[in-house]
Amino acid sequence: SQQGEEDPQALSIQEGENATMNCSYKTSINNLQWYRQNSGRGLVHLILIRSNEREKHSGRLRVTLDTSKKSSSLLITASRAADTASYFCATDANDYKLSFGAGTTVTVRA
Amino acid sequence: DAGITQSPRYKITETGRQVTLMCHQTWSHSYMFWYRQDLGHGLRLIYYSAAADITDKGEVPDGYVVSRSKTENFPLTLESATRSQTSVYFCATGTGNQPQHFGDGTRLSIL
Repeated sequence: SQQGEEDPQALSIQEGENATMNCSYKTSINNLQWYRQNSGRGLVHLILIRSNEREKHSGRLRVTLDTSKKSSSLLITASRAADTASYFCATDANDYKLSFGAGTTVTVRA
Repeated sequence: DAGITQSPRYKITETGRQVTLMCHQTWSHSYMFWYRQDLGHGLRLIYYSAAADITDKGEVPDGYVVSRSKTENFPLTLESATRSQTSVYFCATGTGNQPQHFGDGTRLSIL
């Protein structure tokens, strides 16, 4: 069964706007990871946040983690057309296996 | 700098046939994984391997067989393909509690 659930399922924004997507999970985790998938390609790792961390930044990406609520969010600031992709959260319960959500499809309009 | 290579990229076969999907890595990562991706389900783990000759089942292993005689290769075999196994298959590698690296996938259609 899937551990992570992303919300919303789809998101359409104007170039330059921010995009926020959320992930909820069910059981205790060691870390939570966000991946991007462009159409027809494999997943590419974006950010890993450990269970003892609350926030992490990487370029235009900001990830938060609230272990008390079992939730995470991914914020993409100043979006670009190249950010059009599907975004997945994945949880690692300290057994090196990842459990993925169904993903959020982001479309950035020019 | 190939990293991880999956072959073939596309495959069409018939029900009942055996088909093998290949995965090769050049990093010598200890962990390798096979996922399938279906609309509405995200990625689901089929099998994984912690090292050569060590494999274990994931969430959806039925109908699949894996082997890992060498660290760099992790083939996935569908012994008798069924239509429900039509999917996109991804191989990934990892080194433990670190991000996984994914191949570009094999799109498999079973008629």
